[in-house]
Amino acid sequence: AQSVTQLDSHVSVSEGTPVLLRCNYSSSYSPSLFWYVQHPNKGLQLLLKYTSAATLVKGINGFEAEFKKSETSFHLTKPSAHMSDAAEYFCVGGGSGGGADGLTFGKGTHLIIQP
Amino acid sequence: EPEVTQTPSHQVTQMGQEVILRCVPISNHLYFYWYRQILGQKVEFLVSFYNNEISEKSEIFDDQFSVERPDGSNFTLKIRSTKLEDSAMYFCASSEWDRGNTGELFFGEGSRLTVL
Repeated sequence: AQSVTQLDSHVSVSEGTPVLLRCNYSSSYSPSLFWYVQHPNKGLQLLLKYTSAATLVKGINGFEAEFKKSETSFHLTKPSAHMSDAAEYFCVGGGSGGGADGLTFGKGTHLIIQP
Repeated sequence: EPEVTQTPSHQVTQMGQEVILRCVPISNHLYFYWYRQILGQKVEFLVSFYNNEISEKSEIFDDQFSVERPDGSNFTLKIRSTKLEDSAMYFCASSEWDRGNTGELFFGEGSRLTVL
């Protein structure tokens, strides 16, 4: 089964500065990978997904992530943080395809935006 | 924009009681899921449901749990004889097709269950 590891439980950046949320995956096959965001008292919203079509994936709200097979990484980035980006971010691994097996969630990274 | 809705948003129950959490998936979706997140822990997969039967379930989803799609729109999670450790946020999700490698899951806002 695929596993994902989020390297930071908390990340704090100043508004207007770049954001980097790190995620490594462990998979013996071509993975599907997702980033979800959870704002306080809200459900999980998909930011972006990687499904082998392109290594650089652009998502909503200016976020993007790059799949790097050599580093088994799928880090989430944004050039300039906004106060509304403050939330919990989850790196999520998918199955090998076929069947409705569950997604595997990382532990989450809490993003704090300083004014 | 279509969304997954869950009720109740918060339920408090006594240990040993039965709880039913309700979800209305997006109308044209075919796959339905329940996840849970115990406070401070990872989001965990419980069960997936397709064509009126369970497709996959995790080891967490034991005989205490059951799911049902009683009327073609609702998707329910029943927890029999609740235990303290069932306290968690329960998320319902749906997807248009087999999540596999490409399907996106749409999540509801969650139902917080507190067992006293």
